[in-house]
Amino acid sequence: SQQGEEDPQALSIQEGENATMNCSYKTSINNLQWYRQNSGRGLVHLILIRSNEREKHSGRLRVTLDTSKKSSSLLITASRAADTASYFCATDFTGNQFYFGTGTSLTVIP
Amino acid sequence: NAGVTQTPKFQVLKTGQSMTLQCAQDMNHEYMSWYRQDPGMGLRLIHYSVGAGITDQGEVPNGYNVSRSTTEDFPLRLLSAAPSQTSVYFCASSAVWRGGNGELFFGEGSRLTVL
Repeated sequence: SQQGEEDPQALSIQEGENATMNCSYKTSINNLQWYRQNSGRGLVHLILIRSNEREKHSGRLRVTLDTSKKSSSLLITASRAADTASYFCATDFTGNQFYFGTGTSLTVIP
Repeated sequence: NAGVTQTPKFQVLKTGQSMTLQCAQDMNHEYMSWYRQDPGMGLRLIHYSVGAGITDQGEVPNGYNVSRSTTEDFPLRLLSAAPSQTSVYFCASSAVWRGGNGELFFGEGSRLTVL
């Protein structure tokens, strides 16, 4: 499979804490994206980082990309109960195909 | 702004029946795709299209057909449903940039059960 792999599979934190999840992938990419999925809903795009970028910020989100290690991390700072969701990384290998990891399930306890 | 619309939201089929999942987008996106989501498996790409008249296979295309006669629509056909096709199906679209695609916009999903 060309899927990325997220780590950890599940994460439970207290409101206000930071949450970090990681994504590893197998081959060279054009870009890597992170998505959020609330239970029973479609996926929502969070952030895109290109292969020539190392770090990107969007609000409380910080994404890093290390192409030498074929890995990325998503940091959510000052987490809120509303951040409870599954988070997926998606890699764009060919420009035409996005491959998703198996996701990290985040629970933020109020 | 409708975005990506999938129908139906729920469907129950018997083994061997055929059906079509509909997907329409109103963002003039060239790229459209279908995924299936199974517990513990993440999303797996079934078929995708980079424009009207152009389709290609993803990771798990067997048992599914697609066509792209217009920019807006990308239906997914199950030819002879099997219990292994019980899943949640997502349609997604994106703009195409030089050097890769932009963000994917997802529909709300179609939950299919094959008995």
